[in-house]
Amino acid sequence: GESVGLHLPTLSVQEGDNSIINCAYSNSASDYFIWYKQESGKGPQFIIDIRSNMDKRQGQRVTVLLNKTVKHLSLQIAATQPGDSAVYFCAENSGNTPLVFGKGTRLSVIA
Amino acid sequence: DGGITQSPKYLFRKEGQNVTLSCEQNLNHDAMYWYRQDPGQGLRLIYYSQIVNDFQKGDIAEGYSVSREKKESFPLTVTSAQKNPTAFYLCASSIARSTDTQYFGPGTRLTVL
Repeated sequence: GESVGLHLPTLSVQEGDNSIINCAYSNSASDYFIWYKQESGKGPQFIIDIRSNMDKRQGQRVTVLLNKTVKHLSLQIAATQPGDSAVYFCAENSGNTPLVFGKGTRLSVIA
Repeated sequence: DGGITQSPKYLFRKEGQNVTLSCEQNLNHDAMYWYRQDPGQGLRLIYYSQIVNDFQKGDIAEGYSVSREKKESFPLTVTSAQKNPTAFYLCASSIARSTDTQYFGPGTRLTVL
């Protein structure tokens, strides 16, 4: 079946380094992708989104890359800070069904 | 939390009791959703509603019920038929279609004693 998943369940980075969180999807019809950040005990927070007619989109310290050829999505966080420690989810839109969420990657920032 | 409120933040119930979780939004969004999240896990869709007085089952609807009598409110009842109800429950809303970006509330942590 169709699925959204992540390559790494946990990621540890040094403060100040760049972080890259990856996500694979299997539905070639998906045309909209979102990254969420969830801090412990809180609801997910929207970070950035991208549509399938783009391959890169930048926000403040974050960049999302979309490779439709290999069905791969990544979130890059520049100059990672302790406040970036959280679980990051990707989500995809495929057709008329609600967003499908991946299982999440935990990012730990080492001071 | 973007105008979406959930109450209470923590909820305890005895086994065999029904309990209702509140979700309210003042964003004028048409669509609303309920998810369940277990420790270290992703989000699983329970129910969603794209318009008042209409809702659809998600992936894990058994043991849950919802109503959508008002645009701004989408309460979730966890019934005694739900065999493992202890979890973190998240409500979300989106502007129109179920395919739009969803914005989440702060969550309710339900513990069955």
